[in-house]
Amino acid sequence: AQTVTQSQPEMSVQEAETVTLSCTYDTSESDYYLFWYKQPPSRQMILVIRQEAYKQQNATENRFSVNFQKAAKSFSLKISDSQLGDAAMYFCAYRSRISGAGSYQLTFGKGTKLSVIP
Amino acid sequence: DAMVIQNPRYQVTQFGKPVTLSCSQTLNHNVMYWYQQKSSQAPKLLFHYYDKDFNNEADTPDNFQSRRPNTSFCFLDIRSPGLGDAAMYLCATSRDVGLGETQYFGPGTRLLVL
Repeated sequence: AQTVTQSQPEMSVQEAETVTLSCTYDTSESDYYLFWYKQPPSRQMILVIRQEAYKQQNATENRFSVNFQKAAKSFSLKISDSQLGDAAMYFCAYRSRISGAGSYQLTFGKGTKLSVIP
Repeated sequence: DAMVIQNPRYQVTQFGKPVTLSCSQTLNHNVMYWYQQKSSQAPKLLFHYYDKDFNNEADTPDNFQSRRPNTSFCFLDIRSPGLGDAAMYLCATSRDVGLGETQYFGPGTRLLVL
């Protein structure tokens, strides 16, 4: 079974600084997607960034970028110029085809709670 | 704005008393999902609908059922809630079931079982 591990339950960053959230995953699949979702307090979860496994180039969305190391099965999220609005729970997620089935499964890590210090 | 709406945001029920949570979407997406998220844990998929086709996860308890009367609405029915069912329930949608499809989440309904 695929697993997603976020080893940092909580992190904090000073406003305007850079922070990196870690994520590792375990899979035997070659075709999959990786996602980072953000869940602010009392608000809905939204997609921050996603990465296709077959693409070597790291995805970037404004201040958010990933470091995708396929061989190491690592998918970290870097937030540059951190803002107060970045404070949230961040979930790393993995999606692949369910073995023997025609559907796909999205597996989440347990999340990293990010605090931004003014 | 197109969105995923969940009502109510907070729901209190009694042990064993059936409860229904609702979700609606204005995105016109084909797929709707229900996740259970317990405190400090990852969201766990309970089931999903692709259009009218219902897909149940193997480890979803029989106590949980779902209905999707039309494209816009999906309901989660908990027939006999136990204390262990207290959690945040997240509804999500996606345009299709492809590998790279983005899921769009509602704000969740927090269920408390007394």
